[in-house]
Amino acid sequence: EAGVAQSPRYKIIEKRQSVAFWCNPISGHATLYWYQQILGQGPKLLIQFQNNGVVDDSQLPKDRFSAERLKGVDSTLKIQPAKLEDSAVYLCASSLPGQIQETQYFGPGTRLLVL
Amino acid sequence: AQTVTQSQPEMSVQEAETVTLSCTYDTSESDYYLFWYKQPPSRQMILVIRQEAYKQQNATENRFSVNFQKAAKSFSLKISDSQLGDAAMYFCAYRLASGTYKYIFGTGTRLKVLA
Repeated sequence: EAGVAQSPRYKIIEKRQSVAFWCNPISGHATLYWYQQILGQGPKLLIQFQNNGVVDDSQLPKDRFSAERLKGVDSTLKIQPAKLEDSAVYLCASSLPGQIQETQYFGPGTRLLVL
Repeated sequence: AQTVTQSQPEMSVQEAETVTLSCTYDTSESDYYLFWYKQPPSRQMILVIRQEAYKQQNATENRFSVNFQKAAKSFSLKISDSQLGDAAMYFCAYRLASGTYKYIFGTGTRLKVLA
């Protein structure tokens, strides 16, 4: 089966610019996660969707970050305006909840550099 | 709030030898899952091994095994017969067995394998 797809793989922008990331989860996976992974740290959950509804966005900086998952499939994460501290890898993951062996599958990530 | 701690930022092991990576966590819950994820350089994060908290038996997956000490809230990963391909960042993660399926990751341990 196809894995989690993300694009772009790399992005360089200047501070105060806008940027958007796209994620296509594994077909049939109802749960989608966006993580921020700053260099040298573990992934931090930004937002979690169950189908097209938000389950957890408690760590999403809502003044500049937004995310949507239309039709419960693809998702986009946007940053507007970007700050230097947003430089990180943005990981998307998906899972099929409810199974005993529920597992998260990760995409390759988008590496963002804010100058 | 649940937390996951990995106190070893970096570990080294000689090829074919055994290495143990440490992880401790804090939770007041009794039913949860613990995971070890591997993130090779510039590659996707993949699941190495999973442990259900209700199971007393330690999980094993080929050369990978865990030492799960529920009372001590300790979850270490043992890699036997280390191979060059084992070189990666290893993340310990926690998730409740029910609810939002939110994952909490540790800060990671970088494993170097010496030829």
